Amino acid sequence: SQQGEEDPQALSIQEGENATMNCSYKTSINNLQWYRQNSGRGLVHLILIRSNEREKHSGRLRVTLDTSKKSSSLLITASRAADTASYFCGMDSSYKLIFGSGTRLLVRP
Amino acid sequence: NAGVTQTPKFQVLKTGQSMTLQCAQDMNHNSMYWYRQDPGMGLRLIYYSASEGTTDKGEVPNGYNVSRLNKREFSLRLESAAPSQTSVYFCASSDLPRDRGPENTEAFFGQGTRLTVV
Repeated sequence: SQQGEEDPQALSIQEGENATMNCSYKTSINNLQWYRQNSGRGLVHLILIRSNEREKHSGRLRVTLDTSKKSSSLLITASRAADTASYFCGMDSSYKLIFGSGTRLLVRP
Repeated sequence: NAGVTQTPKFQVLKTGQSMTLQCAQDMNHNSMYWYRQDPGMGLRLIYYSASEGTTDKGEVPNGYNVSRLNKREFSLRLESAAPSQTSVYFCASSDLPRDRGPENTEAFFGQGTRLTVV
């Protein structure tokens, strides 16, 4: 079984709206990373938040981390059709990088 | 820079055949990983190598073996392929430091190998 779970599994929004994805994990982590995947291609790194950080921003991305609840969220603001993809959280612990189950985001033009 | 290169991109095997998936990175990274991704699912870690000369089991290691040939290359071998191993396989590398310093960096992925076992 995977160490991380994401919700929702799928999300459909209108262009311009915000998209929020959540990730919960089971083990202690060094950092948590968010990745994007287009159409079965390799994952591309979006943003990394360390275990001693609570919030981080990068462009239209905002990620939060609550280590007491073992959860993280990714917010994409002012979404675009080009943001349509699958998004995965990756938990880095003990030299391993374990991924959640992913959220499929559809942004309708 | 090529980044992470996987070969082959596509492969069809018959049940019981063996094959080796190759992965090479040119970023001088310490850590390398092999994942499988089944349709509509997330990535599951098969094996990883924290540094040259070491390998460890991930979440789903059964039916696979790996070799960290040198710092650049990390291969995945299927000794006797089964239909349940039909999947897309991704190799990745990152520069996670051996001594777990404060700086951790992201993983870079290859474009995947689509394997079908019939």
